[in-house]
Amino acid sequence: DAEITQSPRHKITETGRQVTLACHQTWNHNNMFWYRQDLGHGLRLIHYSYGVQDTNKGEVSDGYSVSRSNTEDLPLTLESAASSQTSVYFCASSAGQKNSPLHFGNGTRLTVT
Amino acid sequence: AQSVTQLGSHVSVSEGALVLLRCNYSSSVPPYLFWYVQYPNQGLQLLLKYTSAATLVKGINGFEAEFKKSETSFHLTKPSAHMSDAAEYFCAVSDQGTDKLIFGTGTRLQVFP
Repeated sequence: DAEITQSPRHKITETGRQVTLACHQTWNHNNMFWYRQDLGHGLRLIHYSYGVQDTNKGEVSDGYSVSRSNTEDLPLTLESAASSQTSVYFCASSAGQKNSPLHFGNGTRLTVT
Repeated sequence: AQSVTQLGSHVSVSEGALVLLRCNYSSSVPPYLFWYVQYPNQGLQLLLKYTSAATLVKGINGFEAEFKKSETSFHLTKPSAHMSDAAEYFCAVSDQGTDKLIFGTGTRLQVFP
């Protein structure tokens, strides 16, 4: 079965360090998304990509970057981790139609100390 | 701009009772609306989606939602709650008809025996 795999599941890092969260999908979807989930805010879009070499900023993109070198992977990088970036991060993909559902990974819980 | 509002961050029901989770939307274009469910330590799973084909949408696990344009609502219901329904539920609207989703803040459903 097709799936989205996120790694690691849990990560603890220190303020100021660079951190990369991995996302790999086997749906062969062109569209991929990164969301963060925080209590009281639901899920907020960080970055998204509509295909190889395409990246776009979402609602809360400051301090994050992504790159898309192939269809399957969209790694999320925190350039210099801050305590405000402690959160649960979800990667998702979709087939790209306007009513296509998102398929989510199981999330990465990141703690910045 | 599109948005969704979920009324009630927590809802508690007894097993066998009616489940009603409220969602109101704001959209400048005909909306595509979704309900997702999140079980502990997992990603989000699609429950159902509204794409204008029918106002009453049936989803998985016995859930359904009714699109009411006059009330700008898309409430989620289930006639009889089961213990396994305990989870967090998110309403979402597509951003300008794309597959980027804007999520509500979520409603945590507790089911008591």
